[in-house]
Parts: sequence; C-alpha cells; structure tokens
Amino acid sequence: EPEVTQTPSHQVTQMGQEVILRCVPISNHLYFYWYRQILGQKVEFLVSFYNNEISEKSEIFDDQFSVERPDGSNFTLKIRSTKLEDSAMYFCASSDGSARVRSYEQYFGPGTRLTVT
Amino acid sequence: GESVGLHLPTLSVQEGDNSIINCAYSNSASDYFIWYKQESGKGPQFIIDIRSNMDKRQGQRVTVLLNKTVKHLSLQIAATQPGDSAVYFCAENASRRGSTLGRLYFGRGTQLTVWP
Repeated sequence: EPEVTQTPSHQVTQMGQEVILRCVPISNHLYFYWYRQILGQKVEFLVSFYNNEISEKSEIFDDQFSVERPDGSNFTLKIRSTKLEDSAMYFCASSDGSARVRSYEQYFGPGTRLTVT
Repeated sequence: GESVGLHLPTLSVQEGDNSIINCAYSNSASDYFIWYKQESGKGPQFIIDIRSNMDKRQGQRVTVLLNKTVKHLSLQIAATQPGDSAVYFCAENASRRGSTLGRLYFGRGTQLTVWP
C-alpha cells in the first residue's frame, strides 16, 4: 500500500539554526499538508499546498516557515531560525484530490521529531 | 473559534468489550468529521469518517455516530482487541466551496488501553 514517508525521523538542532524537514507524499496525490504536534497536545494544522502554491495557512505558520515542492516527489518544510517552542513532532500528509471516491482522505506520514536545544 | 475536544483523556477496557470514545466540537459549520488512530511513534491513521448529512456510519468493527444537535461525535469499537490500544483523535473540517480538502482541526486525543 502506498504511504507518505518523512525524513529524518529525528532532528536535533540548536536554537537559531535553519532546519528542513522532508516528505515524500503518495505519488498521485495533489494536496499536501504539514501539521505539528507538541508533546502531549493535539495535532495542529500548519499549511496546505496545492498546484505549487500555499492554499491555506494557520496563524502558527509565520514568516519563519516556508514550504516548497522542489521536484515532482519531495515536499519540504523549512524553519528559518528555530526557536525552543518549535520542538514538536511534524507530520506531513497528502490527499488525492481527484474526483474519485474518498479522494479527500488525508494520509499521514510517520512524522519527524524536531528537538530544538 | 473552532475547537474539537474530548470528554475523557483515558479509557481502559477489557479485551472483547466494546469501547466508546467521545468527542465534542464547537464549530456548527463543520460538515466532515474523521476519527484517527495514532500508535506510539507513528502518524495518525484514518479509521472512519462521516459527513454532516449522516448520523451514523459503520465500518469494520467501528461505528461513528454524529449528533449535530449537541455537536457530539462518538467512535464505537466492537470486540476491542489489544491491537486497538492507541490514542484516538477526532478531527473536523469545514468545507469550502464544497471541498473537504482543507485543514483538519484535531481534538486532544483519548488514550485507549485494552487489557487482556
């Protein structure tokens, strides 16, 4: 069964450093998402991406965050200058988005645990 | 603002019993609801969904009930098994222009533990 993959599984970085989290969505999917989950809290939406542009973003997704689809397979989340409060599990998700049945279901990757020290 | 929350943070059941996990939501504009299961170290895994024009939907061993009057959602798991032990999240989506491909709002999660 196709699945969303994410790398690395764990990233440790120092405050102020830039990090790039990588995702490979399911190959025929058209909609891509980033969510995060701070330890012990609920999953929070960050951004959605369609047709090579951001379609929606939350208040969390400020100027320090950016997303990119550099080629036909990868979808990346960049945090320019990490803060301690960016420590969280970051999940990538993708949706089919076609007219087929159940195309709206969001499939989640296993996550990248980001630790900012 | 929109919020999705859970009544109980933990639920312990005996193997073979039925489990009921509850969820409350506050956004009356939400029209699509999903239950996700999250095992330790993994991402959320889709279990079942329901649109607001329905009040019940059944899957394999799972049933979702939606009560729009009181903005309440529940997940029923029949004959609960040890492999069902996980955190369960409800999530909601308010469609825009008929599309449910937008952001999901998640609840805080309920830890289900199944005892043998």
